[in-house]
Amino acid sequence: GAVVSQHPSWVICKSGTSVKIECRSLDFQATTMFWYRQFPKQSLMLMATSNEGSKATYEQGVEKDKFLINHASLTLSTLTVTSAHPEDSSFYICSANPGGAGTQYFGPGTRLTVL
Amino acid sequence: KQEVTQIPAALSVPEGENLVLNCSFTDSAIYNLQWFRQDPGKGLTSLLLIQSSQREQTSGRLNASLDKSSGRSTLYIAASQPGDSATYLCAVEATGNTPLVFGKGTRLSVIA
Repeated sequence: GAVVSQHPSWVICKSGTSVKIECRSLDFQATTMFWYRQFPKQSLMLMATSNEGSKATYEQGVEKDKFLINHASLTLSTLTVTSAHPEDSSFYICSANPGGAGTQYFGPGTRLTVL
Repeated sequence: KQEVTQIPAALSVPEGENLVLNCSFTDSAIYNLQWFRQDPGKGLTSLLLIQSSQREQTSGRLNASLDKSSGRSTLYIAASQPGDSATYLCAVEATGNTPLVFGKGTRLSVIA
């Protein structure tokens, strides 16, 4: 099946720093990728839709200037958490669809801890 | 706006029991429904995908059913094992290549 990777798998950073998370579709191209966030003991919530070659669309309540998304190629989307704070500590997961009637494939997730 | 609800929120059963997890969704116009497993601190493992035109899917000891008109799905786990302990998430997709809407999950503990 299709494979989606994320890097890094975990990151610990100090408050105020920026963190970049990569989401790659390894064996297919994806014009659209999705970014989700999962707080402890909560379910996954969509943050934004990443569109190749155009601006991302953000869900209500998600600050687009804080969570910068760049989908520069058909196999890579990046999420940058700018000036991270402890409340941004969460599990970030991306997904992509190879197209057709198939399902979406999820990356393994990135656990962000902001001290 | 689509909402997905999972009942129960937590379930503890002795090993060997058959069990049913429930999922309901408010908007029946879905493209597909998927059940995932998530172990603590880990990502998602897709268990079963049911297209909107299908009624059920089976994989090993797992069987998922879909009643789109009533907005319900069930995940049946036969002969549960301690290794089945995890959180099970239900998610629906509105149309192809749209984001999934997840339920809050059912946290399952199978006691040896």
